Amino acid sequence: DGGITQSPKYLFRKEGQNVTLSCEQNLNHDAMYWYRQDPGQGLRLIYYSQIVNDFQKGDIAEGYSVSREKKESFPLTVTSAQKNPTAFYLCASSIVTGHEQYFGPGTRLTVT
Amino acid sequence: AQSVTQLDSQVPVFEEAPVELRCNYSSSVSVYLFWYVQYPNQGLQLLLKYLSGSTLVESINGFEAEFNKSQTSFHLRKPSVHISDTAEYFCAVSEGSGGSYIPTFGRGTSLIVHP
Repeated sequence: DGGITQSPKYLFRKEGQNVTLSCEQNLNHDAMYWYRQDPGQGLRLIYYSQIVNDFQKGDIAEGYSVSREKKESFPLTVTSAQKNPTAFYLCASSIVTGHEQYFGPGTRLTVT
Repeated sequence: AQSVTQLDSQVPVFEEAPVELRCNYSSSVSVYLFWYVQYPNQGLQLLLKYLSGSTLVESINGFEAEFNKSQTSFHLRKPSVHISDTAEYFCAVSEGSGGSYIPTFGRGTSLIVHP
């Protein structure tokens, strides 16, 4: 059963700690994306990757980092430099950039 | 660069009534257009898409959207809504040849269906 998974569903961290969110897909998609969703603000692009070992900053990359060592995996690290990290994070993939995206179920991160 | 405007943040409607969720975009090149639906605490699911060809596209659950190039719009419609249609709806645009290809999303419209 093909799809995109994110783990964990809920994540709690103390301020000042780095945290890594997992995103895995078995759709054989080349492109992967990370979005942040806050109430009333829609989806804002953090990072995207069009191919393995390459990624680009999105609109709000400050305080985040990613890696793309395997086609199936695109983990996101929320660093202590991110001023307001509490949010709902969504990972997505598409065959190539520009085509319809498949989304994971999301990770809700709470930092206190 | 492209942009997307969803004019209504919230649309309340009674069950079995028609509904239209509005979406306008700006772009200087050809575009691909999408509508996604999000239920609470879940990811987004593709509802329908326009890539080329017929300007009227339909989904399997009764929604339709029409690409209007002159008005740069891609409004979503359903002739009769159900309680289960209550969700957040997002319009998205990505640019084709000569553009950025990276999708841009609107801020979303919350459809609230009352019994």
